[in-house]
Amino acid sequence: KNEVEQSPQNLTAQEGEFITINCSYSVGISALHWLQQHPGGGIVSLFMLSSGKKKHGRLIATINIQEKHSSLHITASHPRDSAVYICAVSYNNDMRFGAGTRLTVKP
Amino acid sequence: GAGVSQSPSNKVTEKGKDVELRCDPISGHTALYWYRQRLGQGLEFLIYFQGNSAPDKSGLPSDRFSAERTGESVSTLTIQRTQQEDSAVYLCASSSTGWGWANVLTFGAGSRLTVL
Repeated sequence: KNEVEQSPQNLTAQEGEFITINCSYSVGISALHWLQQHPGGGIVSLFMLSSGKKKHGRLIATINIQEKHSSLHITASHPRDSAVYICAVSYNNDMRFGAGTRLTVKP
Repeated sequence: GAGVSQSPSNKVTEKGKDVELRCDPISGHTALYWYRQRLGQGLEFLIYFQGNSAPDKSGLPSDRFSAERTGESVSTLTIQRTQQEDSAVYLCASSSTGWGWANVLTFGAGSRLTVL
């Protein structure tokens, strides 16, 4: 079992829909990161969380430390949100990645 | 610099040759990370440098891999006697000091290595 599990693996949505991507982890972490990998391969760090909730534009990330679970929400999704979203957790001197969620938003 | 700079952006080499990949982190960022992403696969953590501390090399896939960092600046990832399974995009990221692992990461564009 991977230390970091993401769901769903693939997600197709219509423009404007509310999107939720989930991440569960099994280790004690110091932080959780949500990353966005564009079709061209570039990676952007969206959020770094150690507790609570963060919001940036149409993106919201939450984390529940007790339940070892995080969610990434996208409100009013747009085709430019199409990308792979990766959950990563850091602990000790290590980092583990989820397999990613491929999001396609259709116009 | 303004961002994390990696070179070369693309490298094609023959099996058995050594390659060196370079990462220039954001100025002032004391933490530097190397990752690997094989085609169609997820990210894989390789090694992490924090300031002048000795790096934890346990994530390196084999003893053919080594990484160095000069102070808090440039890092090089060296792969000796390359194998075809080393073909991947090698990504570098940096973050500022203070929280160690809990900082937001800034990624470079990656170095795509192809071993023939």
